[in-house]
Amino acid sequence: AQRVTQPEKLLSVFKGAPVELKCNYSYSGSPELFWYVQYSRQRLQLLLRHISRESIKGFTADLNKGETSFHLKKPFAQEEDSAMYYCALSLIMEYGNKLVFGAGTILRVKS
Amino acid sequence: DVKVTQSSRYLVKRTGEKVFLECVQDMDHENMFWYRQDPGLGLRLIYFSYDVKMKEKGDIPEGYSVSREKKERFSLILESASTNQTSMYLCASSLFGAGYGYTFGSGTRLTVV
Repeated sequence: AQRVTQPEKLLSVFKGAPVELKCNYSYSGSPELFWYVQYSRQRLQLLLRHISRESIKGFTADLNKGETSFHLKKPFAQEEDSAMYYCALSLIMEYGNKLVFGAGTILRVKS
Repeated sequence: DVKVTQSSRYLVKRTGEKVFLECVQDMDHENMFWYRQDPGLGLRLIYFSYDVKMKEKGDIPEGYSVSREKKERFSLILESASTNQTSMYLCASSLFGAGYGYTFGSGTRLTVV
């Protein structure tokens, strides 16, 4: 079955420390993966997608098919990075696509 | 700049009431989705629609129905609200294709008492 696992409910780091939010997936096809972020009192928004191989707000994520992982990384955490982060896997269906989300990880950056 | 609009930010309803949650998008997206967001469970798909009058069940459709009479509008209906349907409900839309992300609404926090 298709599944996304985010093993950490909460990740707490100090400002300036490196951040790695873990995401593992289970999918037999070719995966399309995303990271979404929800800041306090804001709507859920797309942070980055693996297909574009971009860096947004200093975050990067590399798809590792061998380890079935798509971890989100940032070398130096900032206080404004504190938010809820969701990893998501896109599933293609006959008439469209849908996203399967992990349970989410709260990132707390302490000063 | 708001592209996906959910009609209510907060709702309080009584057990047994019929509840309508409305969502409108202005991006001409084919796909629309309803999720519920619960702590520790992430986002779970209730229903989705890939075209007008078309709908598909998601992972947790029990107790819900949907309506899509126009491309821009997707409604979620709780036929008889129950306390276990207290949750944050998120609407989203996207273009067709695996590489496209979703655009989310700001959510409706529903409390059933």
